[in-house]
Amino acid sequence: DTEVTQTPKHLVMGMTNKKSLKCEQHMGHRAMYWYKQKAKKPPELMFVYSYEKLSINESVPSRFSPECPNSSLLNLHLHALQPEDSALYLCASSPSGLNTEAFFGQGTRLTVV
Amino acid sequence: AQKITQTQPGMFVQEKEAVTLDCTYDTSDQSYGLFWYKQPSSGEMIFLIYQGSYDEQNATEGRYSLNFQKARKSANLVISASQLGDSAMYFCAMREPLRDDKIIFGKGTRLHILP
Repeated sequence: DTEVTQTPKHLVMGMTNKKSLKCEQHMGHRAMYWYKQKAKKPPELMFVYSYEKLSINESVPSRFSPECPNSSLLNLHLHALQPEDSALYLCASSPSGLNTEAFFGQGTRLTVV
Repeated sequence: AQKITQTQPGMFVQEKEAVTLDCTYDTSDQSYGLFWYKQPSSGEMIFLIYQGSYDEQNATEGRYSLNFQKARKSANLVISASQLGDSAMYFCAMREPLRDDKIIFGKGTRLHILP
């Protein structure tokens, strides 16, 4: 099983809303990632969790708040977003270490109105 | 400084031909990993192949192979016998375990397979 599950697949939210994106994996992976991808651009790293601790925050605005409640689950809490935050949000997971693969979920297409 | 370079923004290839997608990388670490992903228009990021920096043999996965030239810092993807379903965006990525397992991507190559 190499599945990373992201919910919801699509989300439309207003600028005053609070919403959360969810990512789940049951492969025992210890590294989990959030990426943001705009159209026709490569994914941009936002956050990395390693062993349930935040190890990288790529200077992401505080309106994005990650959370790793346990080793299988990764959330991204959204609050007071701007229209320019509309993008595809991808979650990935990987066993920690060198000779390991990284697998992505199908992504959440977020539209901020 | 850009660490992953994909110099081909777009490519057109006839069906059944082999295709090589270029990727060069830059790192001062000895330990790193290189990935290739396929992203169709649906948006999902599909893992294709992985090469570790200490792997002596080139990685292969079915029709995909990775031409790893460590001294040149090159990790080209070769797709043999291309199919119409191979039309997609392809990303080269690098993982740096010594830098908190960061995975960074190149700008991608849009591959079009012609019937």
